[in-house]
Order: sequence, then structure tokens, then C-alpha cells
Amino acid sequence: QKEVEQNSGPLSVPEGAIASLNCTYSDRGSQSFFWYRQYSGKSPELIMSIYSNGDKEDGRFTAQLNKASQYVSLLIRDSQPSDSATYLCAVNGDNAGNMLTFGGGTRLMVKP
Amino acid sequence: DGGITQSPKYLFRKEGQNVTLSCEQNLNHDAMYWYRQDPGQGLRLIYYSQIVNDFQKGDIAEGYSVSREKKESFPLTVTSAQKNPTAFYLCASTRDSSGQRVGEQFFGPGTRLTVL
Repeated sequence: QKEVEQNSGPLSVPEGAIASLNCTYSDRGSQSFFWYRQYSGKSPELIMSIYSNGDKEDGRFTAQLNKASQYVSLLIRDSQPSDSATYLCAVNGDNAGNMLTFGGGTRLMVKP
Repeated sequence: DGGITQSPKYLFRKEGQNVTLSCEQNLNHDAMYWYRQDPGQGLRLIYYSQIVNDFQKGDIAEGYSVSREKKESFPLTVTSAQKNPTAFYLCASTRDSSGQRVGEQFFGPGTRLTVL
């Protein structure tokens, strides 16, 4: 059973701080990793994709991947109240085609 | 405007009824997926289809059925055999993996189904 684990939170950070969201996965052959943002009552929105070890930055978001440790994280710099949402980690396993396994999500609260 | 549409946004079902949720995409994506999301939970895969006229069961297919007669459309029927259908239903699509980023899925706005 392929698993993707996230702390459900809530993770509470003050406005302007760095929010750090973490995700671990069990399938060592996983190839592709994604972060989705989901506002309450809405559908998930893809915000970051990462495919190789290291960091990938896009605006205030940085995704970090460590395949040896089977760990992927999302950093949000200068957190804003509008970043308050649930963040879903998704992993595409080895030989899985386009199939994704989702974690349960981490709820982030950014307090003004 | 390219995108994925789902209808209706809200759906109420009586006990014993079958209901069909619509999902349409004009992104020319090959693969389409149906997920179910329960409150405070992640997404669970119901069915997926990688090409027209072919589909496979996901992790929780019991009580659901699908068809894929056209590339653009992937409707989901929630049958009376599904004992606990109240949930948020999400349709997603992705391009074929050849030459494209593998795994990037894009979601429609969802249908919230409630059993009365």
C-alpha cells in the first residue's frame, strides 16, 4: 500500500512568517511530487511540481525534495492571511503512469 | 477558455436513487479521474480513464459506475448500492505522459452530493 503522510495541523503562523509544510511517502520509486492548495469548499489548485532532488522556487513558494529520505516539503515565505488553506501533497509512484496518491492535507492558518 | 467543468455544483439524492455527475474538459487531455473527498480527508480515487472507451477501478469503485464515450466527457453515476455517498466529488484530468510532465492533474470545481 503506497502511503503519503502529512500532519493534519492546524499549523498556525503569524503574518509575514515562513510556513513549513512537510510530507513523507512510502514508495521509494516515486518520480513526481506535487503540492495543491485547497480553500475551504473549493477544489484543489496545483501550486508546485518538483521532479528532482533539491529546491524549486516559484515566487513565495519553495518546494524541497529529498528522495533518499523520502521527504518533500513546501515553504511559504512572507505568509499572508490569504494563504490560509489546506495544502495537499501528492506523489506519482514508479510505473504509475499519471496516477497520484494524495496525503490527507495540512491545514494552514496565517494570523494577521 | 480551457478548463474542466462539473455539474451540478450541488446535488441532493433520495435513498435508492441513482444520480449522475457530469465532468467535461476542453483541454484535450487524455486521462480523466474521479475522486471522492470526505470532510477533513484527502482524496480517494474512484475511477480513472486513460483513453476513450476504457476505464479502470480505483480504490473505492464499489457503488459507482462511469463511461468514457468521448475524450471530453467522463460522467460518474452514483448508484443506490453506494451506502454512504454524501461527499465532495472531484473530477480531474491530465495530458498523456508522453512528452509532458507526468502526473500533473488539474481539477474541476467539484460537485457536493448530499443524501436526504
